[in-house]
Amino acid sequence: SQKIEQNSEALNIQEGKTATLTCNYTNYSPAYLQWYRQDPGRGPVFLLLIRENEKEKRKERLKVTFDTTLKQSLFHITASQPADSATYLCALVRDNAGNMLTFGGGTRLMVKP
Amino acid sequence: DVKVTQSSRYLVKRTGEKVFLECVQDMDHENMFWYRQDPGLGLRLIYFSYDVKMKEKGDIPEGYSVSREKKERFSLILESASTNQTSMYLCASSLILTQGWSSPLHFGNGTRLTVT
Repeated sequence: SQKIEQNSEALNIQEGKTATLTCNYTNYSPAYLQWYRQDPGRGPVFLLLIRENEKEKRKERLKVTFDTTLKQSLFHITASQPADSATYLCALVRDNAGNMLTFGGGTRLMVKP
Repeated sequence: DVKVTQSSRYLVKRTGEKVFLECVQDMDHENMFWYRQDPGLGLRLIYFSYDVKMKEKGDIPEGYSVSREKKERFSLILESASTNQTSMYLCASSLILTQGWSSPLHFGNGTRLTVT
């Protein structure tokens, strides 16, 4: 069956360090992968999209990699800040039209001052 | 900025009641979605609509129906609410892009439904 796995345990890091979150998938061949941020009591907010032919994508302090051989995406936040504390979700496009997404369970990041 | 508005933030209903969850988006998006989010299970797609009066079942449509009479509005209906439908319900919208592209989802802030 198709699965998207993110570490369900919270990731605790010190302010200023780089946070790395992992998204692994099985039995998918996604053309795209998206990352979202979700704060408590709020809906997810889109952060970044990466295509299968892109190895890496950057946006300010965020970096996403996409390895279709390993079936894995890594999401990095450099120089992390307490304001980065949230749950981060990865999502795969699962239809050829690119409309329907399946989400992983999310990883909670806690950045301590 | 895209705004997706869900009509209720919190809702408490009794078992067997018919429940309507409303969602409105203001960016003329073709696609609209209903997800539910539960601890340990993540976001699961209930229904998807790509046009007025059009709908497709997601992963967990049982016990739910949807209505899309206008482009900006997508309603989720619980025909006869049950306690296992207690959850956070999230509505989202997105553009339809040409084949080969992927559009981000824009979410509302959710409706926390409790069925007693």
